[in-house]
Amino acid sequence: GENVEQHPSTLSVQEGDSAVIKCTYSDSASNYFPWYKQELGKGPQLIIDIRSNVGEKKDQRIAVTLNKTAKHFSLHITETQPEDSAVYFCAAATSGTYKYIFGTGTRLKVLA
Amino acid sequence: EPEVTQTPSHQVTQMGQEVILRCVPISNHLYFYWYRQILGQKVEFLVSFYNNEISEKSEIFDDQFSVERPDGSNFTLKIRSTKLEDSAMYFCASSETAGGASNYGYTFGSGTRLTVV
Repeated sequence: GENVEQHPSTLSVQEGDSAVIKCTYSDSASNYFPWYKQELGKGPQLIIDIRSNVGEKKDQRIAVTLNKTAKHFSLHITETQPEDSAVYFCAAATSGTYKYIFGTGTRLKVLA
Repeated sequence: EPEVTQTPSHQVTQMGQEVILRCVPISNHLYFYWYRQILGQKVEFLVSFYNNEISEKSEIFDDQFSVERPDGSNFTLKIRSTKLEDSAMYFCASSETAGGASNYGYTFGSGTRLTVV
């Protein structure tokens, strides 16, 4: 069935360093890939997304890359700050369906 | 910024009891969803709802679950006879367009933590 794998499960970086989280999806028909940030006690919040017709997208310190051939997509956070500490989820969706398939999440800790 | 509102934030119920989780989606959104997250695990799709009917549901969404949009603003998830394994955080979400065609992604609420004892 459809599956999204996410690595690593936990990631600690020093403030100012970069963080990279990687996801792999199984359904080749997937065409929309959002990333969500979940802070303690809150719901997931969309931080960036990418469609399958684009290879890379940037929004200030956050970027997402997509390799359709390999079915990989990655989140890159540069110049990390303590407030970036949270759980990050990747997801994949397919036109014609209504659901997102989420990855297992990455707990990012930014050490001051 | 528009929000998805969920109530209550925490619900404790006895096994076998019925619970109703409530959500107020963003007013101009047409697609509504319920997801759940068992502690420490991934967010799992339960059901999507569009045009007053279920558009898609997962294997988790069995006969014990039902959804309803009783008026123009609320969207509810009912669990008829709760089991211990129903304990989880339940998230409501809404979107302007469906799933993979989303322009802006889902907006999630803050969740209802359901504890079945």
